[in-house]
Amino acid sequence: GQNIDQPTEMTATEGAIVQINCTYQTSGFNGLFWYQQHAGEAPTFLSYNVLDGLEEKGRFSSFLSRSKGYSYLLLKELQMKDSASYLCAVRVHGSGNTGKLIFGQGTTLQVKP
Amino acid sequence: DGGITQSPKYLFRKEGQNVTLSCEQNLNHDAMYWYRQDPGQGLRLIYYSQIVNDFQKGDIAEGYSVSREKKESFPLTVTSAQKNPTAFYLCASSIWAGNSNQPQHFGDGTRLSIL
Repeated sequence: GQNIDQPTEMTATEGAIVQINCTYQTSGFNGLFWYQQHAGEAPTFLSYNVLDGLEEKGRFSSFLSRSKGYSYLLLKELQMKDSASYLCAVRVHGSGNTGKLIFGQGTTLQVKP
Repeated sequence: DGGITQSPKYLFRKEGQNVTLSCEQNLNHDAMYWYRQDPGQGLRLIYYSQIVNDFQKGDIAEGYSVSREKKESFPLTVTSAQKNPTAFYLCASSIWAGNSNQPQHFGDGTRLSIL
């Protein structure tokens, strides 16, 4: 089966660093995406990993280890506006090479002053 | 500006009624998707389409139907057979579903409730 696990909730302090973990067990792997979703809004794309290692994009970094089925999203210099849900999604091979996304349940991050 | 437009933002369904959610994109994307999001849960795939006049069932297709008559449009009908339709529905599109480095872009969603 397909399974993606993330912590349900996390709390961090403004200006700090937080790491959100994601572990996955999927039939096939064709990339891992992180999305940010504010309450009641559309998810927005943050990062993409397909090879092992760290991808850095400003205050956000994402790491992937395919052998361990593990990824994390690192948020630095936290700001209040970073309070949101963070969704981990794995692309798996679908019929006709459509590349379906399987989503974790999301991690709700609350940033406190 | 290019983007994905979902309408309406809020929708109410009566018992035994079919309702249709609209999704239009002007990004010239080939692939389009419908997801359902329930509180505390991740997005679950309902249907997806790679090209016009072709679509595939996702993980929770029962009680839903779609059509893809135009590249820009992928409407979702929630039928009376869907017994628990209350949820947040998200439409997404991507350049080419099989091109792994292209993310899916999402619309603002439609919140469906039962009267």
